[in-house]
Amino acid sequence: QQQVKQSPQSLIVQKGGISIINCAYENTAFDYFPWYQQFPGKGPALLIAIRPDVSEKKEGRFTISFNKSAKQFSLHIMDSQPGDSATYFCAARPSSGNFGNEKLTFGTGTRLTIIP
Amino acid sequence: NAGVTQTPKFQVLKTGQSMTLQCAQDMNHEYMSWYRQDPGMGLRLIHYSVGAGITDQGEVPNGYNVSRSTTEDFPLRLLSAAPSQTSVYFCASSYSIDSPLHFGNGTRLTVT
Repeated sequence: QQQVKQSPQSLIVQKGGISIINCAYENTAFDYFPWYQQFPGKGPALLIAIRPDVSEKKEGRFTISFNKSAKQFSLHIMDSQPGDSATYFCAARPSSGNFGNEKLTFGTGTRLTIIP
Repeated sequence: NAGVTQTPKFQVLKTGQSMTLQCAQDMNHEYMSWYRQDPGMGLRLIHYSVGAGITDQGEVPNGYNVSRSTTEDFPLRLLSAAPSQTSVYFCASSYSIDSPLHFGNGTRLTVT
């Protein structure tokens, strides 16, 4: 049962363009939504995260947009650069009660390639 | 700080062999976990630990054992390797159960 659906599976964007990766979730108990960035041969690293009390969070060129009613969230990379070429994973988990990272569910990943 | 250190980086096993994947962290993190990463399937939780002496099963625990005798170390044991266990394995830790995860650089395991 895939609780977090991520699309597209792969994405090619020209340098300077906007990269957009989308995720949808089913579990209404999810209230913490991180994005991880993974370079080849490395482990994933936390990029940015959002909680549902805000509809958008921006850190530099990276923005998460969150739509609670649609149960969707997306990552936007503005002015995409070749150094952004990596695999991106969305994830979700509940953060209330005693739950934590053991409940973190990952999407299937998006391989992003930025071409010059 | 070295962060999360995984050894070995690569390993080839024959079906039925056993081995231990090592994971160590030097950040005094209470929470540690093991994931496997397979193409098209994201990261799936194998086992996790909320502190020394405490472990629990994740989504895909069959065929794997863990123990946590110290805060720093969280080894993953494959008892009798099977081709279905061919994967990239990641160890991750966090300061507490709801803090951001820090991942190691993975162990690529091939079972023939």
